[in-house]
Amino acid sequence: RKEVEQDPGPFNVPEGATVAFNCTYSNSASQSFFWYRQDCRKEPKLLMSVYSSGNEDGRFTAQLNRASQYISLLIRDSKLSDSATYLCVVTGGFKTIFGAGTRLFVKA
Amino acid sequence: EAQVTQNPRYLITVTGKKLTVTCSQNMNHEYMSWYRQDPGLGLRQIYYSMNVEVTDKGDVPEGYKVSRKEKRNFPLILESPSPNQTSLYFCASGAGGGFPGGYTFGSGTRLTVV
Repeated sequence: RKEVEQDPGPFNVPEGATVAFNCTYSNSASQSFFWYRQDCRKEPKLLMSVYSSGNEDGRFTAQLNRASQYISLLIRDSKLSDSATYLCVVTGGFKTIFGAGTRLFVKA
Repeated sequence: EAQVTQNPRYLITVTGKKLTVTCSQNMNHEYMSWYRQDPGLGLRQIYYSMNVEVTDKGDVPEGYKVSRKEKRNFPLILESPSPNQTSLYFCASGAGGGFPGGYTFGSGTRLTVV
């Protein structure tokens, strides 16, 4: 079993749709959680950190469920510019594990 | 501007010819790390460094070396590159303590070994 698993997609959604991504992790001692966005073969960029209390940044909402060991990302009112690969990232100590990413295509 | 700078951006080399990919950050970050990204496998950690002169292996360290003689620099060395090291490489840096700000990545180095 991979340490961090994501549905690879692709997710094809129309503009304005709401889309949700899930990510599961296997190490219960994991400490920090993030969602990154990566455009085609460019460097990943931090989208948001993920906390147990949940956090929201505009159209994006992230949730962490430690008991079930999963992380979610919700994107509301999808824009064409949201088309990218979304990476789930889990850290424990100094080790960092990236999910393989979920590809999102938003179409007009 | 806060950034992580990698060089070169693109490199084609031959099997066995030693090469170094440089990485430098200007954010005074303690933590630096190297990743490789391959289709379907995502980013995999090669080596990381918690501070000057402190480094440790990630998940795929075979065939790579690193050094951390200064806080800002973290070069990746391939002593004898092989075709299976053809990949997209990223350097990243972060503050300590659970990396509350996440990582900052360099723009990547696309390496081809023929």
